[in-house]
Amino acid sequence: EPEVTQTPSHQVTQMGQEVILRCVPISNHLYFYWYRQILGQKVEFLVSFYNNEISEKSEIFDDQFSVERPDGSNFTLKIRSTKLEDSAMYFCASSEAWTGRDGYTFGSGTRLTVV
Amino acid sequence: AQSVTQLGSHVSVSEGALVLLRCNYSSSVPPYLFWYVQYPNQGLQLLLKYTTGATLVKGINGFEAEFKKSETSFHLTKPSAHMSDAAEYFCAVSVPASGGYNKLIFGAGTRLAVHP
Repeated sequence: EPEVTQTPSHQVTQMGQEVILRCVPISNHLYFYWYRQILGQKVEFLVSFYNNEISEKSEIFDDQFSVERPDGSNFTLKIRSTKLEDSAMYFCASSEAWTGRDGYTFGSGTRLTVV
Repeated sequence: AQSVTQLGSHVSVSEGALVLLRCNYSSSVPPYLFWYVQYPNQGLQLLLKYTTGATLVKGINGFEAEFKKSETSFHLTKPSAHMSDAAEYFCAVSVPASGGYNKLIFGAGTRLAVHP
């Protein structure tokens, strides 16, 4: 069964450093998403991406965050200058239809720890 | 605004007992509804989804959910709990987003504990 692949599975970084979280969505999916889950809390929407553009971003997704699809397969989330409160599990997801009616497939996540 | 409410952040059942996890949604358009499961230190796995058609949907691991439009509910059930069902369960709804495409928003989650 097709999977969404995320790397790395764990990343520890120092406050103020830049991190790039990587995702390979399912190949025939066109809509891509990043979500965040702070430990013990709900899964929160960060950003959606289609046709090489951000479709929507949440209030969490400030100027420190950026996304891109550099090579037609990878989908990356960059945090420019990490803060302690960025520590969370980050999930990438993709969907085939813009409605999501066929479901959203999630990767296994990257656990980011900012120290 | 669209939202998802899960009643009960923690539910505890005995092995073999009925599992009932509650989810209510608000949506301005016919919703697409999902249940995801998250095992400890793992990602989000789709259990089942409702898009159109039959309102009782069956998913993996013996779970099912019924879409009730009049009650704006999508409760998750399993007739007989197994120890391996212990996990966090998230109800989610696909809603129109400002960019013209849908996005998925989640409820707060329900942690299911199964005891012998």
